[in-house]
Amino acid sequence: SQLAEENLWALSVHEGESVTVNCSYKTSITALQWYRQKSGEGPAQLILIRSNEREKRNGRLRATLDTSSQSSSLSITATRCEDTAVYFCATEPEEGADRLTFGKGTQLIIQP
Amino acid sequence: DAGVTQTPRHEVAEKGQTIILKCEPVSGHNDLFWYRQTKIQGLELLSYFRSKSLMEDGGAFKDRFKAEMLNSSFSTLKIQPTEPKDSAVYLCASSGQGNAEQFFGPGTRLTVL
Repeated sequence: SQLAEENLWALSVHEGESVTVNCSYKTSITALQWYRQKSGEGPAQLILIRSNEREKRNGRLRATLDTSSQSSSLSITATRCEDTAVYFCATEPEEGADRLTFGKGTQLIIQP
Repeated sequence: DAGVTQTPRHEVAEKGQTIILKCEPVSGHNDLFWYRQTKIQGLELLSYFRSKSLMEDGGAFKDRFKAEMLNSSFSTLKIQPTEPKDSAVYLCASSGQGNAEQFFGPGTRLTVL
């Protein structure tokens, strides 16, 4: 079973609107990373949020982390067409495998 | 600095053929990962190397998939023999160590006929 997973396969919003992608995970973690993958490219990291942080911002992006419910969210404000991509969360486990575990991703489509 | 390089970008193979995908990680990175990506399964880990030593070899992929890292700056993924169900994007990533940020290449899109 997936140790980390996004909660929706796909989302679609209109340009300028805000959108939130959610992620849940199943193990204790030291940090969680959000990645974005545009068509024809590999994933690239957007934000890293550590287990002792509740919120992290990067421009129009805002990530939250709730370790009690083992969930995270990535919000994008004032969306643009170029935000169209697949968004992944990846967890850094406290114990066990010394590497990231990726969720399956949420396809976000920003319509003009 | 150069990012992760993967070649070829596209590969078409007949069922039963052997194909070799190549990856050059970011210079100085200790960890190298091979993933298979499909819409249904998402990112599946195929192999994971640390300082050229194989740390994980994805169980379901052991029989026909073999990744090697002969030196710290080059890795190959061999699929032998290919099957149509192997059609997917194969991604290579590298990182400093452990849970650090992974830097991905652009991927190789494999189509097996």
